[in-house]
Amino acid sequence: NAGVTQTPKFRVLKTGQSMTLLCAQDMNHEYMYWYRQDPGMGLRLIHYSVGEGTTAKGEVPDGYNVSRLKKQNFLLGLESAAPSQTSVYFCASSYSTGLVDNEQFFGPGTRLTVL
Amino acid sequence: KQEVTQIPAALSVPEGENLVLNCSFTDSAIYNLQWFRQDPGKGLTSLLLIQSSQREQTSGRLNASLDKSSGRSTLYIAASQPGDSATYLCAVRLRSNDYKLSFGAGTTVTVRA
Repeated sequence: NAGVTQTPKFRVLKTGQSMTLLCAQDMNHEYMYWYRQDPGMGLRLIHYSVGEGTTAKGEVPDGYNVSRLKKQNFLLGLESAAPSQTSVYFCASSYSTGLVDNEQFFGPGTRLTVL
Repeated sequence: KQEVTQIPAALSVPEGENLVLNCSFTDSAIYNLQWFRQDPGKGLTSLLLIQSSQREQTSGRLNASLDKSSGRSTLYIAASQPGDSATYLCAVRLRSNDYKLSFGAGTTVTVRA
């Protein structure tokens, strides 16, 4: 199993450009999450999904959109990138919260720089 | 709002010394707490998950304790090795039906050979 994979690994954008980050998991997890990690701060939840076709806002959703058309994929979009969105983005997945542990498994991250 | 704090932000120890990493949280009504390891430029690897009903979890040289009443968890790493150098993060989940993990900023550990 590959676990959680993310594409691309690195990206540099100019202010105002758009892009989509792709997350894929092969563990048949119901839940998927997008986080951002900034220096000196813990990970913050951007958006999450509790199943195919559903998405919801996390702590810091502004400037981002997401889609979950297939159970195994979760896409994060930036419509008009801003320098404040320079960050490392992590995708994670887990079984539903009905199970006791609900451990989250993380991808390797995407390092995004917006100039 | 749950606040998770990890102090110190960085720690340097000689090889062989035991490591003690601290995590504190403001809302003691947690569902579980998870410790992660993050290597530079990499994703997070789950180390231990402690349910609210547990007081500790062990895996090899790692032992994590949980004291809900005082809002603290401690990760012990015995006989540290240079390969233990990494950033260690703790995260708490408030409720059984809650999707959200609240993360600390992490403690960066350097084990000197």
